[in-house]
Amino acid sequence: DAKTTQPPSMDCAEGRAANLPCNHSTISGNEYVYWYRQIHSQGPQYIIHGLKNNETNEMASLIITEDRKSSTLILPHATLRDTAVYYCIVRVRNNNAGNMLTFGGGTRLMVKP
Amino acid sequence: GAGVSQSPSNKVTEKGKDVELRCDPISGHTALYWYRQSLGQGLEFLIYFQGNSAPDKSGLPSDRFSAERTGGSVSTLTIQRTQQEDSAVYLCASSLVPDRVPETQYFGPGTRLLVL
Repeated sequence: DAKTTQPPSMDCAEGRAANLPCNHSTISGNEYVYWYRQIHSQGPQYIIHGLKNNETNEMASLIITEDRKSSTLILPHATLRDTAVYYCIVRVRNNNAGNMLTFGGGTRLMVKP
Repeated sequence: GAGVSQSPSNKVTEKGKDVELRCDPISGHTALYWYRQSLGQGLEFLIYFQGNSAPDKSGLPSDRFSAERTGGSVSTLTIQRTQQEDSAVYLCASSLVPDRVPETQYFGPGTRLLVL
């Protein structure tokens, strides 16, 4: 799977949009971009994924650049409960080794009142 | 159920004792994964089940670790003769179809194991 690079930490004011960047410049055509987050003392939580089109669900929006070398996760109205470590990962299609997940360092998002 | 559940949520044991950790995946999910996460660390893959069989056991750290899955549903991870370095959060995840794109793994809350 392609390597990803994320800033180690970010702050965001409560109620404002949180924009979390991820660089995946070596991504290949059959790899998806996934985002998970991990709130303190909880298991990882799936947020969203995409291939090349922008995606939106009830939790967040995912903006992928046209060249697919970077993406941004957007939490439109961050709340204190969104404070967590956010992981951007790239996953290859049809990994026959069981599709195990590997998290890098992630971005520690602190939402402040 | 609505999500992946794991039990117990916390387990404190003495060195040398055996422990059993349980995972109930989302109903209908065919793939099941066990990971562990030490304090402040990333995910460490342990084992993967497709149905009741385990095609990938490569992550089990030693022969003290074993896992089984029955009826294509509940899985149990057993650690024999626990050691202090086994202390970690043990996470279970399940997914609907592992070889279908895209596969999304959904995690349980984890079992926090402390070996004294």
